[in-house]
Parts: sequence; structure tokens; C-alpha cells
Amino acid sequence: GENVEQHPSTLSVQEGDSAVIKCTYSDSASNYFPWYKQELGKRPQLIIDIRSNVGEKKDQRIAVTLNKTAKHFSLHITETQPEDSAVYFCAAPRQAAGNKLTFGGGTRVLVKP
Amino acid sequence: GAVVSQHPSRVICKSGTSVKIECRSLDFQATTMFWYRQFPKKSLMLMATSNEGSKATYEQGVEKDKFLINHASLTLSTLTVTSAHPEDSSFYICSASPGTGGEQYFGPGTRLTVT
Repeated sequence: GENVEQHPSTLSVQEGDSAVIKCTYSDSASNYFPWYKQELGKRPQLIIDIRSNVGEKKDQRIAVTLNKTAKHFSLHITETQPEDSAVYFCAAPRQAAGNKLTFGGGTRVLVKP
Repeated sequence: GAVVSQHPSRVICKSGTSVKIECRSLDFQATTMFWYRQFPKKSLMLMATSNEGSKATYEQGVEKDKFLINHASLTLSTLTVTSAHPEDSSFYICSASPGTGGEQYFGPGTRLTVT
């Protein structure tokens, strides 16, 4: 099965700076990598995802990069704002052909004004 | 698009009683729904996978007789916590997947407190 490790577990940045969260996965057949943002007491929200046929995807201030050879993918948030403060989870498919996801342990991001 | 609702949002029940939680996909048909449990400041722990019209598959260590799952239609799955105990108190979240692409959309969660 898939094993997903996420680092760092906490990240504190100054408003306007960039934040980077990295995840590694174990199954080389994995082909879908979503990122979720969860605010306190709320649902995880899908903010961006990437499939294994591309190396980078960008949506305004957030981007995800994928390195299939090294089996890691990263979330990049630029020009951070206080509303970016939340817990972010990466995920990878439990198995290549299934819909189950294995989640990373989460990164608590605090953006200080 | 891809809206998932979950009810109730909060429930308090006495030990020994059962609680039903509903998960609905509002604007898409969900081939698969998932039930997760989340402890404070922890990640999402998959409990079971639910496919419409078939039996749910449970993760290792999850008691199927305690956590009954019914996926009656392509837009509705229910989780019933039977004979609840205080240790069942948790945040339960469902998600729904519209196809085979891997995307999952989460409901708002249900905070269960068993007294």
C-alpha cells in the first residue's frame, strides 16, 4: 500500500512570504496527487491537484510540483495572507487503480500579519 | 459544483444508543463514498469505502457491526454508529467521488459526543 510522509508538521511564515510543504510517496504507480486545506472545525477542501503526466500546475498563488523519479510532490503558496492559515494535507492513491487516498500527516500553517 | 452535505453537524447521544449520519452528494452522482474519522490535530483516518448497491469495505481494525454503512443511491450514504460508547466520540467526515479520477469532495463533518 501507499505510504505518504509530509513535512514540515508546522510552518510559520510572515505575511507576504512563501510557504512550501513537501510530501513523499512510496508507490511509483501512483498517478494522482491532491492537496487539501482544512480550517479549524471545517471540511477539507480540495485546493489543487496534479496528475502524473505533468510536472507542475499553478492556480493563482498556489502551485504544485511533482517529481516522479524522486517520488515527491510539493505545495507552494506565494504571497501568503492570514487567510492561508490552516492545516494542509497531501494525499496519494492507496493503489493505482482505486479511488482510496492515503493522507499525509498534515502541516499546520500560520501566517503572521 | 461538487457539493457534499452531511447531517447532522453535531450530535450528542447517551452511551448504548445508535446514531445515524447522512452524507449526500448534491450536484453529482457519487460512484464511491468514503467515511473518515478525524481525531483532534490529526490526519484523516479512512474507516470504510462505500459503493452504491454493494457492501461497504472496511479498513483493518474497524468493526463493521459497530459502524454500519448503507449506500442506498448514487447520492446518499449513511453511517450508523451502533451502541455508541464515549470512545466513539470523534469528528466523522464523509467524502464522495464522482468517478474514477481519484477526486474526493468532503462533507462538512459530524461531531459526535457520546456521554
